Amino acid sequence: GAVVSQHPSRVICKSGTSVKIECRSLDFQATTMFWYRQFPKQSLMLMATSNEGSKATYEQGVEKDKFLINHASLTLSTLTVTSAHPEDSSFYICSAAQGSRTDTQYFGPGTRLTVL
Amino acid sequence: LAKTTQPISMDSYEGQEVNITCSHNNIATNDYITWYQQFPSQGPRFIIQGYKTKVTNEVASLFIPADRKSSTLSLPRVSLSDTAVYYCLVGEVWATDKLIFGTGTRLQVFP
Repeated sequence: GAVVSQHPSRVICKSGTSVKIECRSLDFQATTMFWYRQFPKQSLMLMATSNEGSKATYEQGVEKDKFLINHASLTLSTLTVTSAHPEDSSFYICSAAQGSRTDTQYFGPGTRLTVL
Repeated sequence: LAKTTQPISMDSYEGQEVNITCSHNNIATNDYITWYQQFPSQGPRFIIQGYKTKVTNEVASLFIPADRKSSTLSLPRVSLSDTAVYYCLVGEVWATDKLIFGTGTRLQVFP
């Protein structure tokens, strides 16, 4: 099946710094990628949708200047958390979809971000 | 996407069949029903998808009554490794559309 990877799997950073998380589709081309955030014991919350070569569409309440998303190629999307604060500590998960609308979305393993 | 309601949690023992029901009273004509499984600190994994009646694959069955206002995910003979959160999603969940996850059902399997 299709494989999606994320890097790093976990990261610890100081408050005020920026962190970049990569999401890669390893064996297929992803026209659309999604970014989710999940707090402990809670469900996944969609943050944004990105299509290759165009600007990301952010969900209501998600600051686009704080969570920068770049979908530069058909196999790579990045999420940069800028000026991170402790409240940004969370589990970030990406998913990727192939060109066919009838296929399923494939999720990455997630990235645990801890901001001190 | 139609709103879904699931039990918050369920307990079971190894070897038993587990049925998780999801209510979706406002399901639309073009909506499909999709179930995902999520283990702690991992991304969700697609389990099964259906539109009506019954769908079966190698890991689960999905039962959908004629009115489609609910659906039941059936896991045959669960093992400890089936302990996870199960999410029911309803909508035209094409691959390129956004998915809105509900609260999910936390299944705990005991030995």
